[in-house]
Amino acid sequence: GAGVSQSPRYKVAKRGQDVALRCDPISGHVSLFWYQQALGQGPEFLTYFQNEAQLDKSGLPSDRFFAERPEGSVSTLKIQRTQQEDSAVYLCASRTNQETQYFGPGTRLLVL
Amino acid sequence: KQEVTQIPAALSVPEGENLVLNCSFTDSAIYNLQWFRQDPGKGLTSLLLIQSSQREQTSGRLNASLDKSSGRSTLYIAASQPGDSATYLCAAPWGNDYKLSFGAGTTVTVRA
Repeated sequence: GAGVSQSPRYKVAKRGQDVALRCDPISGHVSLFWYQQALGQGPEFLTYFQNEAQLDKSGLPSDRFFAERPEGSVSTLKIQRTQQEDSAVYLCASRTNQETQYFGPGTRLLVL
Repeated sequence: KQEVTQIPAALSVPEGENLVLNCSFTDSAIYNLQWFRQDPGKGLTSLLLIQSSQREQTSGRLNASLDKSSGRSTLYIAASQPGDSATYLCAAPWGNDYKLSFGAGTTVTVRA
């Protein structure tokens, strides 16, 4: 079946612009995660949804970062007033009640 | 927070040689441990998941061991092939067992 998909795959933004990153999880997956991966590093947890409820947003680096999943399926990660330090790959993952998380290809964000 | 470390950061071997990748973690009350593969510009592919009650898990040429008492996991790849060239990441869940803490990865190059 289809895996986790993310769009856009690449995004170039000027400093100060707002961006929106989309994640389509595997159909039926209850849990959805966002991670941020800096160059040469492992992914860092940002936020976690169970259905439409955002149960953990402790990893969001600032109040410029906002995530939603209004219908318990597609999720959007929004970054307001982007800064150069926001440049990274943003990964989305989903899972059922089992432990394995299935990752999407990521969105590579470059802020100039 | 669970801290995960991977050594070495990079590894280059000739084709046919066995690979040994190391992962260490700080919290021995681990729920499970996962190994992922990441190809350049791609998302993460789950390779193996070892439950805390298991000592090892095998899939084809891959074998992963888990030693909770020493805080270590090792991924063995037998008879390496050029197609095994990628970055390998280990991850352990923390915080109610859903969010993953990743190591920085070991980048493997298998020379033909």
